[in-house]
Amino acid sequence: DAKTTQPPSMDCAEGRAANLPCNHSTISGNEYVYWYRQIHSQGPQYIIHGLKNNETNEMASLIITEDRKSSTLILPHATLRDTAVYYCIVPNSGYSTLTFGKGTMLLVSP
Amino acid sequence: DAGVIQSPRHEVTEMGQEVTLRCKPISGHDYLFWYRQTMMRGLELLIYFNNNVPIDDSGMPEDRFSAKMPNASFSTLKIQPSEPRDSAVYFCASSFRSNYGYTFGSGTRLTVV
Repeated sequence: DAKTTQPPSMDCAEGRAANLPCNHSTISGNEYVYWYRQIHSQGPQYIIHGLKNNETNEMASLIITEDRKSSTLILPHATLRDTAVYYCIVPNSGYSTLTFGKGTMLLVSP
Repeated sequence: DAGVIQSPRHEVTEMGQEVTLRCKPISGHDYLFWYRQTMMRGLELLIYFNNNVPIDDSGMPEDRFSAKMPNASFSTLKIQPSEPRDSAVYFCASSFRSNYGYTFGSGTRLTVV
């Protein structure tokens, strides 16, 4: 998988937007960016993915820079239940499996 | 849809015993994955199946580990004999075709004493 770099931890106040960055400078033109999260003691959960355009769903928004070398996952109104480890993953083009790195531990506080 | 179902949720066994973990993927999903998670190594892929056929088992740590998928609705991961270093949370996941929207189960927490 293309290498991704994420900060090890971030804090966010409840109700505020959480912006989680990810660098993927070696990404190829046809490789997607995927985001997962893992809440304590649960299995990882798919959040969103994108290629070039910004994407939004009921959980989050994904902003990908024009050069595609970085992206930001946005949780618009973070809640305590959003406290989790967030993984940014760029699978190799052509089918390969998901490789999880260390991710970003997001702590949402009251 | 009940999602990916794993059993048991917790397993405590003595070193040397055989352990079998079970997984029922989401109906219609043709890919199934077994991951292991530890504090030291994070989430590691052990093996994955496509249409019940093992495709890549390079992540299986040793011959003590084996996995089967006798049909589209059931898979097992067996450890024989178990060792304390096998203690971890084992996750099963499934996906439809080759997309990356994996659905994970709740995991089996294995403790080998």
